[in-house]
Formats: sequence, C-alpha cells, structure tokens
Amino acid sequence: QQQVKQSPQSLIVQKGGISIINCAYENTAFDYFPWYQQFPGKGPALLIAIRPDVSEKKEGRFTISFNKSAKQFSLHIMDSQPGDSATYFCAASMFTGGKLIFGQGTELSVKP
Amino acid sequence: DVKVTQSSRYLVKRTGEKVFLECVQDMDHENMFWYRQDPGLGLRLIYFSYDVKMKEKGDIPEGYSVSREKKERFSLILESASTNQTSMYLCASTFSGNTIYFGEGSWLTVV
Repeated sequence: QQQVKQSPQSLIVQKGGISIINCAYENTAFDYFPWYQQFPGKGPALLIAIRPDVSEKKEGRFTISFNKSAKQFSLHIMDSQPGDSATYFCAASMFTGGKLIFGQGTELSVKP
Repeated sequence: DVKVTQSSRYLVKRTGEKVFLECVQDMDHENMFWYRQDPGLGLRLIYFSYDVKMKEKGDIPEGYSVSREKKERFSLILESASTNQTSMYLCASTFSGNTIYFGEGSWLTVV
C-alpha cells in the first residue's frame, strides 16, 4: 500500500532551469513532510522539510510548496545545477522523528 | 556530526544462509529504523524501534527479524536468505522530534 505517490520517476533539466517534483499523500494524520536527496553510493540526506501549518518553505534554491486541501506537496529547485543531479525522495510521517513513508523517488539529471 | 555506521557495505550470500546486517549510531538516539531500497519502489520500512529491546513491524517485515539489545545497535536478520531479498538496506536513527539520519547502505546480493 503506497501512501505517498511521487512523480515523475525521472527528470532531465537544463542547467539554470527549474526542477519540479510532485508528491501526493493519503493519510491526513501525517504531520511532517521532508525531502531527501541521495547521491549514488550514499544514504539519503535531509534536504528540506515542512509541516502542514505553512504553505511554503524556502532554503536557498530549494522550495517546498504545500497544499493541505489537495494533499499534495512539491519540491522546486531553482537555477538547477549539474551538482543537483541525484535521486530525490519525498516522505511523510506522523511526527518528526517518527517512521517515514517514502515516495518512489525521482532521478534528476541536470545537463550542462 | 551524526554517524550511522553500517559495517558491511557489500555482501554476497547464498540462498538459505542466515544473514546479519549491523547498524551502530553514536548519538544516543532512541529511534532506529531499517529500510530496503529498490528501484521504482523507493524506501520501504522493514522494522523500527523506539527503545532498547522494543521492535515494531514496518510495511514489509516478512522474512526479516531484528534485534536491539543495546541502544546504539540495531541489527537486521534474514533468517533464510532468498533471491528476492537482494537489495540495498538502509539503517537510520534519530531522537523523537528530530531529523532522521541514514547510514550509507548495505548492498546485499543473494545467489
């Protein structure tokens, strides 16, 4: 049972462009929504996270947009760089530090 | 820096073997997790533990067990390895209310 659905599965963006990855969730009890970034051969690392009481959170070139009524959230990477090429996972949990339910992942490739 | 260490990075085991995957964290974290990662499926939770000697099943516990005898160590056990358990296994840990940190993963191939 997949409670968090992520799209697209893969994404190719030109350097300087905007990368957008979308996620949808089902369980309204989720209270914490992080995005993880994973480089080949490494474990996932927290990139940015949001709670449902705000609609947007920005950290540098990375922004989460959150739509509670639609049960959707998305990651925007502005001015995408080749170094951003990685796999990105959205996730959700009932509380910060609780078990995370992950989306299927998006493999991002930023072309120079 | 938080350190979650998975001692075995690459393993090749035979079908039917008992396999132990060890995970150690050095931050006195209460919560520890085991996930497996497969292409197109993301990370799926196998087992988790919110305290010593405590364990809870995740979404895909079949064929696995865990042990948490000490706070810093959380072991994943494959009682009788099968080829469909070939995967990358990720351990993670945290305090409640904090970011979850992952280890670098253990690549297991069952032949």
